[in-house]
Amino acid sequence: KAGVTQTPRYLIKTRGQQVTLSCSPISGHRSVSWYQQTPGQGLQFLFEYFSETQRNKGNFPGRFSGRQFSNSRSEMNVSTLELGDSALYLCASSLDRDSLQFFGPGTRLTVL
Amino acid sequence: GDSVTQMEGPVTLSEEAFLTINCTYTATGYPSLFWYVQYPGEGLQLLLKATKADDKGSNKGFEATYRKETTSFHLEKGSVQVSDSAVYFCALSVASGGSYIPTFGRGTSLIVHP
Repeated sequence: KAGVTQTPRYLIKTRGQQVTLSCSPISGHRSVSWYQQTPGQGLQFLFEYFSETQRNKGNFPGRFSGRQFSNSRSEMNVSTLELGDSALYLCASSLDRDSLQFFGPGTRLTVL
Repeated sequence: GDSVTQMEGPVTLSEEAFLTINCTYTATGYPSLFWYVQYPGEGLQLLLKATKADDKGSNKGFEATYRKETTSFHLEKGSVQVSDSAVYFCALSVASGGSYIPTFGRGTSLIVHP
């Protein structure tokens, strides 16, 4: 069974631009969560989607948004990029709530 | 709020040494506890979990016991290998809005020398 895939793996943007990251969960998994990982703040939860609905949201500004499609694939969008948005963005999928999460390799975003 | 505190790294050991990485937590309710491992350039992988007090999670020679009285979930391995070099994250999850959202510690880097 294929694991969680994230595209692109690396991305370089400049301040003020916007970016869209993609996550394909493990087949059959309906829950997708997004995390931001930085050396300063560690791993922080962004949001979780289940059956195309946002079920939980972390403490991030409205510039961070996401969506989930009917095939469970998810996208995360960051608008008006700031230098501090440089991070590894991890996606995790699970069958349902209270199920184990499986993480993808992440997308490394660098904002110049 | 919920939080996880891990010992600061890096932890540097020689091959076959005994490993302990301390983890303590603060949570409302009854959390599940996890250890994740992140190898260089990769995402997180679940290493082990425990869902209730006194449960012991184990995998690949690693063990951790859910200690409710000391609110701890220390990771141990009797004999580490160079291939164990990675960053280890302690995490907890409690129900929130119908889901279980993990709270992660800051991670502890482990470096094992031959």
